[in-house]
Amino acid sequence: EAGVTQFPSHSVIEKGQTVTLRCDPISGHDNLYWYRRVMGKEIKFLLHFVKESKQDESGMPNNRFLAERTGGTYSTLKVQPAELEDSGVYFCASSQGKRRLLYNEQFFGPGTRLTVL
Amino acid sequence: EDKVVQSPLSLVVHEGDTVTLNCSYEVTNFRSLLWYKQEKKAPTFLFMLTSSGIEKKSGRLSSILDKKELFSILNITATQTGDSAVYLCAVPDSGGGADGLTFGKGTHLIIQP
Repeated sequence: EAGVTQFPSHSVIEKGQTVTLRCDPISGHDNLYWYRRVMGKEIKFLLHFVKESKQDESGMPNNRFLAERTGGTYSTLKVQPAELEDSGVYFCASSQGKRRLLYNEQFFGPGTRLTVL
Repeated sequence: EDKVVQSPLSLVVHEGDTVTLNCSYEVTNFRSLLWYKQEKKAPTFLFMLTSSGIEKKSGRLSSILDKKELFSILNITATQTGDSAVYLCAVPDSGGGADGLTFGKGTHLIIQP
């Protein structure tokens, strides 16, 4: 079974440009999460989709970030315009549909490293 | 706001040594505590802990939770170079609607031959 995949592996852009990251979750997983790790800091939760709906986007830094999951399959995270502080590794994770009391195991993708110059 | 603090941030030991990694947490509504191992890319799930005092074990790795003192430890015995990784501790969101994880900064473990 294929795991969570992310594209691209690494993106280098200039400040002010736009970048779109893509995540393909494990097939059949309704839950999709985006996280970000900036250098020297912990991995931070950005948002959570249940199918195509945003369940929780409390971690999104500001309105330069737009996440979509049309059709409830893959998701994109667009940063427009990118700023220097957006550099970091963006992880995607997915989990099965029904929310369990204790925890739904999240399977992580390899991450996209974003560098904003 | 939920908070997870790990220590040490970095640890270098020799093969065969035993290591103990620490994780303390503050959450509004505790559900569980998770340990992940991150080698090159994707974090991979190790353990989920929900009850105090019950050790979870997988080979040379073991972990235990203390809900009174709000911490967990991850032990690795007879370490091997393949254990070198960043070990992450996390707690699921304590709010009602989502499962977003709050992570600690991780412990970067290096095992020297």
